[in-house]
Amino acid sequence: QKEVEQNSGPLSVPEGAIASLNCTYSDRVSQSFFWYRQYSGKSPELIMSIYSNGDKEDGRFTAQLNKASQYVSLLIRDSQPSDSATYLCAVISGAGSYQLTFGKGTKLSVIP
Amino acid sequence: EPEVTQTPSHQVTQMGQEVILRCVPISNHLYFYWYRQILGQKVEFLVSFYNNEISEKSEIFDDQFSVERPDGSNFTLKIRSTKLEDSAMYFCASSGTGGFTEAFFGQGTRLTVV
Repeated sequence: QKEVEQNSGPLSVPEGAIASLNCTYSDRVSQSFFWYRQYSGKSPELIMSIYSNGDKEDGRFTAQLNKASQYVSLLIRDSQPSDSATYLCAVISGAGSYQLTFGKGTKLSVIP
Repeated sequence: EPEVTQTPSHQVTQMGQEVILRCVPISNHLYFYWYRQILGQKVEFLVSFYNNEISEKSEIFDDQFSVERPDGSNFTLKIRSTKLEDSAMYFCASSGTGGFTEAFFGQGTRLTVV
């Protein structure tokens, strides 16, 4: 059973601070890793993808992947109130499977 | 910017009725998916579709469910005889040239079974 675990939060950070979101996954052969943002009642919106160990930066967002530790993280710099949402970690295991396995999500609240 | 489009945005149906949820994936994408999210729960995979056939399905996707690509643009999910527990948000997604690449989601159809 493939599992993706996230701290459900809520995680509260002040405006302008760095928000750090974490995710672990159980399937060691997982190949592709994604962060989605989901506002209440809306669909998942792709924020970042990462496929190899290390850091990947896109604007205020940095994704970090450590396959040895089976750990993915998302850093949001200069957090804004509009970043308040639930952040979903999703993993594709590969080995012939292309389905996304989602975590339950971490609810982020950015306090003005 | 290309996007995945779903219709209707909200559907209310009586238990036992058939429903068809419709999706128009991004035009040059090759892989199509249906996911669902029951209120307060995680997003769950239902089925993936590639080259005009189902490539993978979950335990949720039983005989009551079917998918079809009736023409070059639409992708549909049919639930033959709806149950109360089918009430959820249903999301269509598509991805491009490889199954391991980024999947983009439509805005969802909220299905309410009464």
